Amino acid sequence: DADVTQTPRNRITKTGKRIMLECSQTKGHDRMYWYRQDPGLGLRLIYYSFDVKDINKGEISDGYSVSRQAQAKFSLSLESAIPNQTALYFCATSDFQSDRGRFNEQFFGPGTRLTVL
Amino acid sequence: GEDVEQSLFLSVREGDSSVINCTYTDSSSTYLYWYKQEPGAGLQLLTYIFSNMDMKQDQRLTVLLNKKDKHLSLRIADTQTGDSAIYFCAEAPGDDYKLSFGAGTTVTVRA
Repeated sequence: DADVTQTPRNRITKTGKRIMLECSQTKGHDRMYWYRQDPGLGLRLIYYSFDVKDINKGEISDGYSVSRQAQAKFSLSLESAIPNQTALYFCATSDFQSDRGRFNEQFFGPGTRLTVL
Repeated sequence: GEDVEQSLFLSVREGDSSVINCTYTDSSSTYLYWYKQEPGAGLQLLTYIFSNMDMKQDQRLTVLLNKKDKHLSLRIADTQTGDSAIYFCAEAPGDDYKLSFGAGTTVTVRA
């Protein structure tokens, strides 16, 4: 089984609809992240969470919200989807390892392709 | 702007070497990373280099770091068709463990 799973894998929706993307992990990591990928722009961080009680905005959080329901689950919501939110969305996790200082390997899910019409 | 920069495309003949270049922004980044994204998949860490190193070699991969110029490169020797992917350079600016990614270089290996 995959360590980081995302549902759905593909979603087509209409402008104004509320959408939730879900992420689950079995790696036991405390840190979870949501990114969006757009061609030519790379990955941009939307939100991140260092534990269940810690939620932080990334560089492009407007129009998005998140919920960290448990250590293993981190959901991304689009309250009212708009066409420029059409993108590939990735969830990622990482673990803090005190013996490796600031080393930050992130483990990515397979992505959710979202199309907003 | 404060962006990690990479060229967007690289085409290379099978068997040749590929070199992907990156300029990063934060001299305090302790580690610098190369991630690989294969078609239809998420990113996976390919290799990384600690900031006090100039070079790291790992089988067919060589990472070069020039801290003075904030320049990072990835060389893939004997490039194979399975190396066709998008390669992302990433840094960890500041002290809160987030990663900042470049736009990604799409490497196409031709026969």
